Amino acid sequence: DTEVTQTPKHLVMGMTNKKSLKCEQHMGHRAMYWYKQKAKKPPELMFVYSYEKLSINESVPSRFSPECPNSSLLNLHLHALQPEDSALYLCASSQGSRGLQPQHFGDGTRLSIL
Amino acid sequence: QQQVKQSPQSLIVQKGGISIINCAYENTAFDYFPWYQQFPGKGPALLIAIRPDVSEKKEGRFTISFNKSAKQFSLHIMDSQPGDSATYFCAASMRGGADGLTFGKGTHLIIQP
Repeated sequence: DTEVTQTPKHLVMGMTNKKSLKCEQHMGHRAMYWYKQKAKKPPELMFVYSYEKLSINESVPSRFSPECPNSSLLNLHLHALQPEDSALYLCASSQGSRGLQPQHFGDGTRLSIL
Repeated sequence: QQQVKQSPQSLIVQKGGISIINCAYENTAFDYFPWYQQFPGKGPALLIAIRPDVSEKKEGRFTISFNKSAKQFSLHIMDSQPGDSATYFCAASMRGGADGLTFGKGTHLIIQP
């Protein structure tokens, strides 16, 4: 079992729907990350939050909207997605302090856009 | 621009053999190099990591070798077991990983019994 919990595990939505992905960690980490992983491809960084502030946005389309309500929670709000957005969405966390920042991943939400 | 190049794409090794996966990077600002193991339906799990001021790091059957001048690093899995069959990703990052990870394309490893 991972220490980063993502819900839901699976999500099917239409292109006009609004949904949210949730990520939670209780390791006291202060940095949290969203990655997108297509089948048989490596994870690609989307967003980085450091101490609840968005520090990196890798030019992600505005139909993806991240939110970090507190140090344990990270959300990804989805709206008007396209079929090519179907992928595994991974959340990760790290300590956020100085020094090495090993990232711990959740098992992801598998998203399918109809 | 692919900043981390990984090879081979797939690898078949006999049980008990040594599995070797290689990676090369371009950005000299990278200062943190982890390896992740991913099973189908699961998220990547951190195996072992190294910083460029160390040439080798060993944890159990897993060893990272690092060549800073060549900008290359590799993962060696000793005494490979069928349970090691998975996809392996090398990665690199700046600021010790805080800026997020850039992954290699992955190696699909199969250990034959």
